[in-house]
Amino acid sequence: QITLKESGPTLVKPTQTLTLTCTFSGFSLTTSGVGMGWIRQPPGKALEWLGFIYWNDEKRYSPSLRSRVTITKGTSKNQVVLIMTNLDPVDTATYYCAHRTCTSSCFIDYWGQGTLVTVSS
Amino acid sequence: QSVLTQPPSVSGAPGQRVTISCTGSSSNIGAGYEVQWYQQLPGTAPKVLIYGNNNRPSGVPDRFSGSNSGTSASLAITGLQAEDEAEYFCQSYDSSLSGLVFGGGTKLAVL
Repeated sequence: QITLKESGPTLVKPTQTLTLTCTFSGFSLTTSGVGMGWIRQPPGKALEWLGFIYWNDEKRYSPSLRSRVTITKGTSKNQVVLIMTNLDPVDTATYYCAHRTCTSSCFIDYWGQGTLVTVSS
Repeated sequence: QSVLTQPPSVSGAPGQRVTISCTGSSSNIGAGYEVQWYQQLPGTAPKVLIYGNNNRPSGVPDRFSGSNSGTSASLAITGLQAEDEAEYFCQSYDSSLSGLVFGGGTKLAVL
């Protein structure tokens, strides 16, 4: 059974750096085809893909956020970390970590519960 | 402004059929990249309803179906039920952006 859970600060000041951790179980990030990603959703708005890290350590980022976002594997084998720099109030959103599978198709099949991050002074 | 365009809202009575459109372009749906559909109940994370254009994960009722045509995709829900009231998002890949793209979401109201 695959589970994902995000953790990190709920309130961050403008210009600060956000670090969120996704702790997962039920799979290995070294299994071929597996990817872990981050997606966010401002209150009442649409989903926005931030980036993925894949089983082979390859990384892909949203072009609009590439300069501010880093996704890495955590110090623990079952963790993935999102680092976002220079936060602004428009970055206020629920941040989800997500598991991507590739069978006949590649798609996000599991989501964390999400964590609301508010950017405010 | 989302790369994939969805109507903000649709509605239907219990038992009816509704469709939700997702309009893209030649760099995403029109290029043959697959479309996924996600259902998001209030206060919860999205859940995949359709993957690979028209495939349902186990546990998703066959009342939900997906289709594609040209640069657009559609989600059809038949036999509408009160529990279907949620927001629905389409998602694909865009080659010019080299990444995943989502629609703006459609809120379904069951009257």
